[in-house]
Amino acid sequence: DTEVTQTPKHLVMGMTNKKSLKCEQHMGHRAMYWYKQKAKKPPELMFVYSYEKLSINESVPSRFSPECPNSSLLNLHLHALQPEDSALYLCASSKEANYGYTFGSGTRLTVV
Amino acid sequence: QQQVKQSPQSLIVQKGGIPIINCAYENTAFDYFPWYQQFPGKGPALLIAIRPDVSEKKEGRFTISFNKSAKQFSLHIMDSQPGDSATYFCAASSGAGSYQLTFGKGTKLSVIP
Repeated sequence: DTEVTQTPKHLVMGMTNKKSLKCEQHMGHRAMYWYKQKAKKPPELMFVYSYEKLSINESVPSRFSPECPNSSLLNLHLHALQPEDSALYLCASSKEANYGYTFGSGTRLTVV
Repeated sequence: QQQVKQSPQSLIVQKGGIPIINCAYENTAFDYFPWYQQFPGKGPALLIAIRPDVSEKKEGRFTISFNKSAKQFSLHIMDSQPGDSATYFCAASSGAGSYQLTFGKGTKLSVIP
């Protein structure tokens, strides 16, 4: 298995909703990432988990809450989002630091 | 702030042409330089990557040229096809233990039949 699987593929949520994005990989990668990508822009790093511990939080608002239940799973919990949070949310994993990332196909999030 | 400058922003070539996308960096600690290909609605896919101990790397129709002294690297796509139409991002990262990729702003490539 050489894929990073993200669910759901599309999500529409209201500003008062709570939802979660899920990411799964079975490549034995020990680093997992959440990125946010706006249209026509490069991905922006949000969080990094290394060996299931949060190692980087790029000053992301607390309405985004990451969770790494085990080495294969990564969640992003969403609460009280704003319309400007609408974007493609990408999960990625890598075997180790400074090595090729594998990205998932992303979740297209729309906040209404 | 660490930066990777990518050019051009967009590029149109005829089928069979050789599009070239260029990137320049300032941080001499960067030692891993990947290129990603992204189709609309999809995540970026790793295309090819290079480390600074080599000046060129080729995988299929894709070639990275690397100039360490100039702190520049470029992607060449040989015999380009309409299916290569996508956005291409260069990136860089530094050192063992660094999980952060610094991306260029991207190049939208259109290959016309």
